[in-house]
Amino acid sequence: DTEVTQTPKHLVMGMTNKKSLKCEQHMGHRAMYWYKQKAKKPPELMFVYSYEKLSINESVPSRFSPECPNSSLLNLHLHALQPEDSALYLCASSQSQGVASYNEQFFGPGTRLTVL
Amino acid sequence: AQSVTQLDSQVPVFEEAPVELRCNYSSSVSVYLFWYVQYPNQGLQLLLKYLSGSTLVKGINGFEAEFNKSQTSFHLRKPSVHISDTAEYFCAVSSTGTSYGKLTFGQGTILTVHP
Repeated sequence: DTEVTQTPKHLVMGMTNKKSLKCEQHMGHRAMYWYKQKAKKPPELMFVYSYEKLSINESVPSRFSPECPNSSLLNLHLHALQPEDSALYLCASSQSQGVASYNEQFFGPGTRLTVL
Repeated sequence: AQSVTQLDSQVPVFEEAPVELRCNYSSSVSVYLFWYVQYPNQGLQLLLKYLSGSTLVKGINGFEAEFNKSQTSFHLRKPSVHISDTAEYFCAVSSTGTSYGKLTFGQGTILTVHP
């Protein structure tokens, strides 16, 4: 199984709402990533979890809160978002975070988020 | 620091014609290079990667790329494209200098294959 799944596929939320994005993989990967992708732009790294611990936070605003409950699951909790946060949110996983030879990242299909 | 430049933002081509998507990188240390494809409303799929060894790398769907260290390039080629190759293609670099193998993406090239 080389699949990363993400739910929901689409999400529309108001600026006062609280919602969560979910990502799951069953490849035994120990590194998981959240990316944000605006239209016609490349993915931008937000967070990296390694062995269920937050390893990297790319200066992401606190209205985005990641969580890694176990080695297969990665959540992104959203609160008080702004319209400019509307984007495709991609989850990825890799065997480990370290040496690039193991760093082939497998991406999920993404969640299309619209903030009204 | 590492960076990637994809020289063409859009490449139109006719079906069964050859195509080359250009990618140049900069890094002060050894690099690992990747090409990803993104179909509309989907995530990214790895096409191919260069880690070490032979500079000519073959990937999925008939794509190949050549690592040229002297020219710091990693151009993607396909000898004959299909309509189904219409997608956005991202070149990415990861270097040994970073502590966590961070992927840095280029701005993307939209390949449009016309019948």
